[in-house]
Amino acid sequence: AQRVTQPEKLLSVFKGAPVELKCNYSYSGSPELFWYVQYSRQRLQLLLRHISRESIKGFTADLNKGETSFHLKKPFAQEEDSAMYYCALSSYAGNMLTFGGGTRLMVKP
Amino acid sequence: GAGVSQSPSNKVTEKGKDVELRCDPISGHTALYWYRQSLGQGLEFLIYFQGNSAPDKSGLPSDRFSAERTGGSVSTLTIQRTQQEDSAVYLCASTLAGWNEQFFGPGTRLTVL
Repeated sequence: AQRVTQPEKLLSVFKGAPVELKCNYSYSGSPELFWYVQYSRQRLQLLLRHISRESIKGFTADLNKGETSFHLKKPFAQEEDSAMYYCALSSYAGNMLTFGGGTRLMVKP
Repeated sequence: GAGVSQSPSNKVTEKGKDVELRCDPISGHTALYWYRQSLGQGLEFLIYFQGNSAPDKSGLPSDRFSAERTGGSVSTLTIQRTQQEDSAVYLCASTLAGWNEQFFGPGTRLTVL
């Protein structure tokens, strides 16, 4: 069975501070990992995926297979980063997603 | 172009009634997914349609839940004899076959009184 764990339900930081949203997973094969974000009153949308190895809105995430982690990081948080962040896993491209419980990020001025 | 749309946006019903939730995926997307977002359970997968293949129903919580996809496009999620624990936001997503990114609709908020 596949499982995604986000240990923090709420993360509160000040503007300009570094941010790390934790994500751990369990899966026997080689999963595809994603971060989805939901801003207030907006629909859920993809932020980034591990296979792209890209930086979106200053966020990066590295897949660590040894630690089965896919933590989301940003060196300097902005107020507009305040949102709900979900880590998700798929066993292959196009398959259904297994989501973590989500972390609410609040960036204070 | 238009994104994934869902209707109704809100639905209030009485316990024991049946409800139908509709999803219009992005044109050309062959894969369609239903998820449920609730306070206690987070985001849960319900069912997945891919082209003409048999749907993956492994996430449906009970036999009161069913879904169909007509003509490879619009999908309807039906909940029979609704219970209070069915109260949640029901999300639909679509994507191209074999594609990573799923595009989500705005959701239908279901409240069972």
